[in-house]
Amino acid sequence: DAGVTQSPTHLIKTRGQQVTLRCSPISGHKSVSWYQQVLGQGPQFIFQYYEKEERGRGNFPDRFSARQFPNYSSELNVNALLLGDSALYLCASSPPGGIYGYTFGSGTRLTVV
Amino acid sequence: AQSVTQLGSHVSVSEGALVLLRCNYSSSVPPYLFWYVQYPNQGLQLLLKYTSAATLVKGINGFEAEFKKSETSFHLTKPSAHMSDAAEYFCASSQGGSEKLVFGKGTKLTVNP
Repeated sequence: DAGVTQSPTHLIKTRGQQVTLRCSPISGHKSVSWYQQVLGQGPQFIFQYYEKEERGRGNFPDRFSARQFPNYSSELNVNALLLGDSALYLCASSPPGGIYGYTFGSGTRLTVV
Repeated sequence: AQSVTQLGSHVSVSEGALVLLRCNYSSSVPPYLFWYVQYPNQGLQLLLKYTSAATLVKGINGFEAEFKKSETSFHLTKPSAHMSDAAEYFCASSQGGSEKLVFGKGTKLTVNP
């Protein structure tokens, strides 16, 4: 079975640009979450979507947005990129309930220059 | 608000020695607890989880963790370290019914031959 897939794997953007990151969950998983992992830190929660509805949002500015599609895949958008947005962006999918554990993708490494 | 503290950002052990990685949580109610491992340039892999069943949890690759409510701890152990265990380890918690994960800052494990 395919795991959580994320694209692209690496990305270099210039300050002020916009970026879209993509995630496909494990088949049958309806919940998708996004995390930002800055170098040397633990992942920080950005968004969680379930059945196309936002279920949670972390402490991130409005430049960050996301959506979930009918096939449960998801996109994370970041506008007006700052140098501080450079990080590994991780997507995780899970069955509902939060007790089964979260399966993470390999992430998208975003570098803002 | 829930929080997770991992004591020791770096731990170094000899091959064959005991591995002990410490994690303490702060929560008003007993949370669900997880240990993840991250190898360089990869995503997070679930090692084990505690979801209010048995307090001693066994995971993959010979790891186990014990939930101690009185100490608000969930330390990760492995009796005998292997070179392949060298990685970064993250402890995380979530509240029942919520799928947001709160991570510690991580502990980098080095295994010396």
